[in-house]
Parts: sequence; structure tokens; C-alpha cells
Amino acid sequence: AAGVIQSPRHLIKEKRETATLKCYPIPRHDTVYWYQQGPGQDPQFLISFYEKMQSDKGSIPDRFSAQQFSDYHSELNMSSLELGDSALYFCASSSGPGQGSGNTIYFGEGSWLTVV
Amino acid sequence: DAKTTQPPSMDCAEGRAANLPCNHSTISGNEYVYWYRQIHSQGPQYIIHGLKNNETNEMASLIITEDRKSSTLILPHATLRDTAVYYCIVRVPDRGSTLGRLYFGRGTQLTVWP
Repeated sequence: AAGVIQSPRHLIKEKRETATLKCYPIPRHDTVYWYQQGPGQDPQFLISFYEKMQSDKGSIPDRFSAQQFSDYHSELNMSSLELGDSALYFCASSSGPGQGSGNTIYFGEGSWLTVV
Repeated sequence: DAKTTQPPSMDCAEGRAANLPCNHSTISGNEYVYWYRQIHSQGPQYIIHGLKNNETNEMASLIITEDRKSSTLILPHATLRDTAVYYCIVRVPDRGSTLGRLYFGRGTQLTVWP
């Protein structure tokens, strides 16, 4: 079965540069979530989108922005990168509201961002 | 914001059942309990979820107490590949257009030994 696809898998940027991560949800999923996992830490929720509109916002820095496009893929844009932004970024998707079996959240394999 | 408490680590012999406990004493009536696991630096993998009835799938069983204040994830025959961090999560319910997110707490590091 198709899973959540993230690209690139690895990215190296210098401080103050900009990075863009892409996420392609499972087909027919209309909801996307972004999580950040620093070294030795647990995943932290950043932001989510439902039907191309921002749904919820967590601990996302102002330097970061995201959007969901008409084909439901999402992009996370990170500007003025800092060393502390080095982390594993996960995208997850689900099929809209509700908590039942049809709305399970599935995660991609993540994108490694290293800021040097 | 995590509403769950798990032991930081557990061990289990290969081939034996692994029983991972979770306390969620403040859970609300419409909140589901989800279990995910994360093998080192891979994406969290969905295992199972439930509301109040016990659930079973090809990976595991979920036992939820009658008062719903705690649950246990059971891996019936643990293998070395089950070594991972296991997260018990009470999913925040939807509120209007704000869909229920997952709050990851500290999780339990399960180590399966030969």
C-alpha cells in the first residue's frame, strides 16, 4: 500500500539559508501533519492542514511556514536556519475528522535536516 | 501536553509476550488511545488504537481497563525487531476545523533480548 512520501530524505544547509521539505500524503488523505524530532527527543507537533486550510498550530517557529496545495501535498518552508533546527522532520497524513479506524494518522520516514 | 504516563524502559525475552503499560487517568470519554512505535530514527509506526473495547490486530492486542484510566499493549511473541520506543498517546479530539493531533510523551524503550 502507498505510504506517506517525504522529500528530500537528507538535506544539509548552512546557517541563515532556507530549506523546503515536501510531503505527499497517502492517496485520498486530505489532512497533513508536520512534526519535528530533535536529537534524543520525542516528536513535537508543528502544524497541520485539513482540506488545504491550516487546521492546528503547535510549536512552530515564526521562521517556518507551511501550506497544503490543491493536490493535498504539503511543503514546509524554513528560513533563516539555525543550528538548533537540525532535526528529523516527519510528515503524517490522515483522512479528515474523526478518530475512528478510517482516520488513523500514518507517518512518513522523515527528512533529515542538518544545519552547519 | 501528553496525558499519558509510561515506564521509561522495559526488557523482554525473544518469543515471550511483551506487556507495555500506560496510565491515562485524565482521559475523556471521546478520546481514543493510540499506540505507535519508533525504531531508531524511522517514522513512527502505527500499531493499534481503541476507545473502550479491547482490540486485536495482526501486530498486537490492546487491553483497556473498564474505567479507561489505563491500558496495556501486548506483543504476543516479541522478536528482536520489536525493539523500539513505544508511545501510548491519547489523541486530542477534533474541535471544529481543528483536527485531533497526536501528542508524543516520553514513551517506553522496549528491548527484546535473545
